[in-house]
Amino acid sequence: QVQLVQSGAEVKKPGASVKVSCKASGYTFTSYGISWVRQAPGQGLEWMGWISAYNGNTNYAQKLQGRVTMTTDTSTSTAYMELRSLRSDDTAVYYCALGELSLNFDYWGQGTLVTVSS
Amino acid sequence: QSALTQPRSVSGSPGQSVTISCTGTSSDVGGYNYVSWYQQHPGKAPKLMIYDVSKRPSGVPDRFSGSKSGNTASLTISGLQAEDEADYYCCSYAGSYTFGIGGGTKLTVL
Repeated sequence: QVQLVQSGAEVKKPGASVKVSCKASGYTFTSYGISWVRQAPGQGLEWMGWISAYNGNTNYAQKLQGRVTMTTDTSTSTAYMELRSLRSDDTAVYYCALGELSLNFDYWGQGTLVTVSS
Repeated sequence: QSALTQPRSVSGSPGQSVTISCTGTSSDVGGYNYVSWYQQHPGKAPKLMIYDVSKRPSGVPDRFSGSKSGNTASLTISGLQAEDEADYYCCSYAGSYTFGIGGGTKLTVL
């Protein structure tokens, strides 16, 4: 069965960078794109961007353009999301997700809490 | 990509039906039949409840149904149960592998 397992919680200082990983299993990694979605404490879900695991093409949310980079490593079936120039309002749980059924998110990682604090 | 508009909260008594709306634009909800709905309990990852406007994944009760008219999609939960109390989010494909997500609706079962 499809599983997405994310890396552990991170604490970062303002201005630093963070890189979250999402290791996929249970399917052919290059068959589906992976999206990243974040959720600030007590807030709603925010779509951050999408990467094709087939060819590495990406699309990012406009508000994060220039600060976010999504990559994949097909040799290890792992997707990565790097966010730079961290601010306090980047504090959130970050999820990776993929859609097997359609253009949606059937499967979600367990989430990675990133805390940005001085 | 703009956020879709949902009511902040809805409520209903056990056994009743509630409907949650999700309003977008012709560039997302109105332009594609790729609206999905997610249920999220506190501290948990979201769970897919409806996809492609009205399809239910395996294992989701048929009490959950979805529809769309123009730029507005809706999620209806009939026969409300206590375990349905959660946050619900709509999501729409917006072209070129971009997505918009609604602000979320808190469902309270009275």
